[in-house]
Amino acid sequence: QSALTQPASVSGSPGQSITISCTGTSSDVGGYNYVSWYQQHPGKTPKLMIYGVSNRPSGVSNRFSASKSGNTASLTISGLQAEDEADYYCSSYTSSSTPVVFGGGTKLTVL
Amino acid sequence: EVQLVESGGGLVQPGGSLRLSCAASGFTFSSYAMNWVRQAPGKGLEYVSTISSNGGSTYYANSVKGRFTISRDNSKNTLYLQMGSLRAEDTAVYYCARRVPYSYGLDIWGQGTMVTVSS
Repeated sequence: QSALTQPASVSGSPGQSITISCTGTSSDVGGYNYVSWYQQHPGKTPKLMIYGVSNRPSGVSNRFSASKSGNTASLTISGLQAEDEADYYCSSYTSSSTPVVFGGGTKLTVL
Repeated sequence: EVQLVESGGGLVQPGGSLRLSCAASGFTFSSYAMNWVRQAPGKGLEYVSTISSNGGSTYYANSVKGRFTISRDNSKNTLYLQMGSLRAEDTAVYYCARRVPYSYGLDIWGQGTMVTVSS
């Protein structure tokens, strides 16, 4: 079982907005501003989309935004495009003996 | 071009050992903490290990602690993962990844190298 909980799947139509949640505890998501989000297309390498809860690396579209409230972080994709169809993973620093944990991943389907 | 290239994967018997390498180029390797992350076939990402920029601090997932050792040679711009006492559940694609400074985000990833543990 993954330490961070994500929905297995979400879907949306082109142009719509969707939000993917990532729920942890006060020992990880809730306790630190070290939440990251990754996009992974089938057969491809993961790509960093968000770090430090809400920071976008250079080159990432501003259609991707993220936030955190309590023990839950959220990734929002606005203006959905077909190319956004991929798996999305959250991760967080954790004060446990394993310093980093990932969520189980969410498959985004663009209808 | 900023790049990470892993090598060393392959088929190994349970209980065996393997050393993965990750060659870095296009950036000042010695300035960055580095990580290993793995992904079992059809599964999600799993954190494996981190090493600080100077190699002085290392961290491991509980699942590999005591069996895997991360190290680096900054003179060769290379990251390593020595894997021992391998189990079937260690079968995965192993990625090396660069960590964003003052963050736990991983911004540059290698293409991955497949490790298969099977008799």
